[in-house]
Amino acid sequence: QVHLMQSGAEVRKTGASVKVSCKTSGYIFTNFYIDWVRQAPGEGLEWMGRFNPSGGSTNYGQRFHGRVTMTRDTSTSTVYMELSGLRHDDTAVYFCARGTSTSAGWYFDFWGQGTPVTVSS
Amino acid sequence: QSVLRQPPSVSGAPGQRVTISCTGSSSNIGAAYDVHWYQQFPGTAPKLLIYGDNNRPSGVPDRFSGSKSGTSASLAISGLQAEDEADYYCQSYDYSLSGSVFGTGTKVAVL
Repeated sequence: QVHLMQSGAEVRKTGASVKVSCKTSGYIFTNFYIDWVRQAPGEGLEWMGRFNPSGGSTNYGQRFHGRVTMTRDTSTSTVYMELSGLRHDDTAVYFCARGTSTSAGWYFDFWGQGTPVTVSS
Repeated sequence: QSVLRQPPSVSGAPGQRVTISCTGSSSNIGAAYDVHWYQQFPGTAPKLLIYGDNNRPSGVPDRFSGSKSGTSASLAISGLQAEDEADYYCQSYDYSLSGSVFGTGTKVAVL
């Protein structure tokens, strides 16, 4: 069965970076995109960007350009999301999700459990 | 920052039918991009509820249905049950942003 397992909670100072991992299993790693979505406390879902495990290409959300980097390790079927220049408003739960394409967009059929990231002064 | 607008909350008595609207624009829903819906309980990851406007993944009860018209989409929950109390989000693609967008989210309360 499809499973996305994320790394544990992180605490960082403002200005630092954080790298979250998403280890996938139960399907062919290179056949599906992995997207990252975050949710600030009490807020809604915000799409950050997507990663193509097949070729390593990326599509970052405009708000995160220059601060986010998505990479992969094909030997372990793991995707990484690194966010730099952390600010207090980056405090959120970060989710990875498997993206399945349709003829007119894509949706997220399987999700990781979420990784809380807290940014403090 | 969400480009898809949803009502903050809807409520209904058990057994009733409620609908949640998702209003977009000509660069997303109005451009014929698919709309998808997710259900989220507190402290957990979202769960796919409807994909491709009106398709249910296996295991999702047929009480949940989706529709789309023009620049808006809707999620309907018929035969409302206490276990349906959760947050619901719509999602689509926006070509002006070149990426995926989520709705503002709607909290469903069962009276």
